[in-house]
Amino acid sequence: QVQLQESGPGLVKPSETLSLTCTVSGDSISSDFWSWIRQPPGKGLEWIGYIVYSGSTNYNPSLKSRVTISIDTSRNQFSLKLRSVTAADTAVYFCARTKYYYESGGSYYFDYWGQGTLVTVSP
Amino acid sequence: DIQMTQSPSSLSASVGDRVTITCRASQTISSYLNWYQQKPGKDPKLLIYAASSLQSGVPSRFSGSGSGTDFTLTISSLQPEDFATYYCQQSYSTPWTFGQGTKVEIK
Repeated sequence: QVQLQESGPGLVKPSETLSLTCTVSGDSISSDFWSWIRQPPGKGLEWIGYIVYSGSTNYNPSLKSRVTISIDTSRNQFSLKLRSVTAADTAVYFCARTKYYYESGGSYYFDYWGQGTLVTVSP
Repeated sequence: DIQMTQSPSSLSASVGDRVTITCRASQTISSYLNWYQQKPGKDPKLLIYAASSLQSGVPSRFSGSGSGTDFTLTISSLQPEDFATYYCQQSYSTPWTFGQGTKVEIK
């Protein structure tokens, strides 16, 4: 059974860097894509970006200037750094396996998710 | 970015009802459309991918249809455990985007 678990500080000060790690079990991180997605309290879902085992990344342009996603295949983990945070970055952050499917020409879906971790940006 | 618009934003229904949620994309996305169910305080669960393919383990009362810009999620007979918020998501092009959600409440 594939499981993902987010970890990191639940409180970050404005202008500082938010850092989270996702630990994957039941699957090798050296396959598939791996995404970060966030959800502000009471609001909808926003895809932040993904990383492939090779280290190749794709970021949401709305966050691209502040985001870095990295991968550690030896620990089966991938990480998120979001710089210069403000209150607008307060959200539940999810990590998710991003699976490629071959039907209909092929694309992606998020099939396994972590439980999510709330990060609050506050002085 | 491709904008995804769901309707309605919320609905009230009874157990046993047939429920339909629609999702419209701001441009054609072929069949690159996924549906998720989210319960309060939980992570989203994949229901449907590629517009109409049922994810393994998901009950057959859930079905999806559509292509191009207009898509539908149907629950054929609403069960107590189906009261949740449902999101569509396009994977046609990055940035991948979600609809704003449809909350299904008990009537």
